[in-house]
Amino acid sequence: DARVTQTPRHKVTEMGQEVTMRCQPILGHNTVFWYRQTMMQGLELLAYFRNRAPLDDSGMPKDRFSAEMPDATLATLKIQPSEPRDSAVYFCASGFTLGGSTDTQYFGPGTRLTVL
Amino acid sequence: EDQVTQSPEALRLQEGESSSLNCSYTVSGLRGLFWYRQDPGKGPEFLFTLYSAGEEKEKERLKATLTKKESFLHITAPKPEDSATYLCAVDNDMRFGAGTRLTVKP
Repeated sequence: DARVTQTPRHKVTEMGQEVTMRCQPILGHNTVFWYRQTMMQGLELLAYFRNRAPLDDSGMPKDRFSAEMPDATLATLKIQPSEPRDSAVYFCASGFTLGGSTDTQYFGPGTRLTVL
Repeated sequence: EDQVTQSPEALRLQEGESSSLNCSYTVSGLRGLFWYRQDPGKGPEFLFTLYSAGEEKEKERLKATLTKKESFLHITAPKPEDSATYLCAVDNDMRFGAGTRLTVKP
């Protein structure tokens, strides 16, 4: 049963520290998404990659967030320095895109980040 | 700016009491509309993708429909295990609605 995996599942850190979240997409999927979910803002798209190339990161605070996909099996989201307002659940999702449309996205279990 | 609005925010039903959830959107040239189910502490789980007005898809007690301005998720004879938050999103910029929190009482 193929699924998206994310590590760590929970992370508590102090303000100013670097945080790295990892995602392993489903094998064969060519598009990877990063989302953030909070009670106030709901689910927001931060960035996405297609065939490992970044296509859109307009949802990310550029000064502190960065997303990369070093290979087809790993996507990373890094926050440096972290701030309390970054506390949220971060989801990775993967899917297969053909002709500009992603038919289905499969979400991982999320990383719950708490910045003190 | 594209908008996705879901209503109601919360819905409480008795087991077996059918109802509908609404997702209205303002998007030029809709590429696709998704419905997801999210249980507490978990990631959203894919339910349906709809592409064009008039399209319908069904899965067990759920049926999703699409018009040019909105989508409905119809729940027929719901069971307590259907309790969850239901999210819709448009494919154009993966903008999600705030969700409808559904509770089905036995």
